[in-house]
Amino acid sequence: SQQGEEDPQALSIQEGENATMNCSYKTSINNLQWYRQNSGRGLVHLILIRSNEREKHSGRLRVTLDTSKKSSSLLITASRAADTASYFCATEIDNNDMRFGAGTRLTVKP
Amino acid sequence: DAGITQSPRHKVTETGTPVTLRCHQTENHRYMYWYRQDPGHGLRLIHYSYGVKDTDKGEVSDGYSVSRSKTEDFLLTLESATSSQTSVYFCASRGGAHNEQFFGPGTRLTVL
Repeated sequence: SQQGEEDPQALSIQEGENATMNCSYKTSINNLQWYRQNSGRGLVHLILIRSNEREKHSGRLRVTLDTSKKSSSLLITASRAADTASYFCATEIDNNDMRFGAGTRLTVKP
Repeated sequence: DAGITQSPRHKVTETGTPVTLRCHQTENHRYMYWYRQDPGHGLRLIHYSYGVKDTDKGEVSDGYSVSRSKTEDFLLTLESATSSQTSVYFCASRGGAHNEQFFGPGTRLTVL
């Protein structure tokens, strides 16, 4: 069963705007990771946030984690057409139990 | 995708035939995984391996078996393919600075 569930399922924005995607999960986690998948390709790791962290930044990415609400958000600032992809959150309970959500499909229009 | 490859990339087969998918990694990662990706389900773990000859079941293991005779190779076998196993299959290995998973490019399998 899915642990993480992304919201919205699809998001369409103009280039230069910010994109926010949310992830909710059900059980306690060790960490939460975000991955990107371009059409027809494998997933690529973007960023990891541990359960004792609240916010992390990586370039134009900002991830927050609220363990009390069992939720996370991924913010992509100043989006570009190249950011068009599907984004997945993955919750890690232990080394061999990582659950992926169904993803958010982001379209950035030039 | 650098360092991890899958073969074949595409396969069409008939119900009841055996199918083997291969995953090869050059990163010397101990952990390897097989997932399937279906619309509306995200990725679901089929089997994983935590070392040579050490494997275990994942969330959706029925109808699948795996083998790992070398660190770099992880094979997924469908003993008797069914139409419900039509999917895109991804292999991953685990390592890196954040112990993240690195994914292969995927294998699109169609079972007629």
